[in-house]
Amino acid sequence: AQTVTQSQPEMSVQEAETVTLSCTYDTSESDYYLFWYKQPPSRQMILVIRQEAYKQQNATENRFSVNFQKAAKSFSLKISDSQLGDAAMYFCAYRSPGVNSKLTFGKGITLSVRP
Amino acid sequence: DGGITQSPKYLFRKEGQNVTLSCEQNLNHDAMYWYRQDPGQGLRLIYYSQIVNDFQKGDIAEGYSVSREKKESFPLTVTSAQKNPTAFYLCASKRAGDYYEQYFGPGTRLTVT
Repeated sequence: AQTVTQSQPEMSVQEAETVTLSCTYDTSESDYYLFWYKQPPSRQMILVIRQEAYKQQNATENRFSVNFQKAAKSFSLKISDSQLGDAAMYFCAYRSPGVNSKLTFGKGITLSVRP
Repeated sequence: DGGITQSPKYLFRKEGQNVTLSCEQNLNHDAMYWYRQDPGQGLRLIYYSQIVNDFQKGDIAEGYSVSREKKESFPLTVTSAQKNPTAFYLCASKRAGDYYEQYFGPGTRLTVT
């Protein structure tokens, strides 16, 4: 079974600075998908960014980018120019390909942003 | 606007009572999912359905039941057999195909006393 590990329960960043959230996963598959979801205080889960394992290029969405290291099974999220609205819980998630594929989530990390 | 609706946002029940949580989507998504979230835990999958009239158990299905009679609806019943039902419940849906991601509803906070 696949597992996703987020070892840091909490992190803090100064507004306008850059922060990196870590995630590792364990799988024996070669093809899969990785996601970062954001859960703000409203508790609405929002997709931040997605990475397909077959792509060597790291995904980027505006201020959010990932560092995908397939051999190391590492998938970190970098938030540049942090804003107060970035304060939330962030979940890393893994999904295998296939009809009955399921998302496996890490336990999440709480990010606070200092003004 | 298309989206996923979960109602109510807060639900209170007495121990020993069954309770049904509603999940409706108008995104025309084929697959629907139920997750449970507890403090300090990630989301854990309860049940999922890839198609109408079919569903599969997730990782923590004991004490829960679901139905999928319509494409847009996937209600979750928390039965009295669920030992620790107090939690935040999230419903999600997804288009068929590997490329697509899951979209989540706003969630229902269930408190059982």
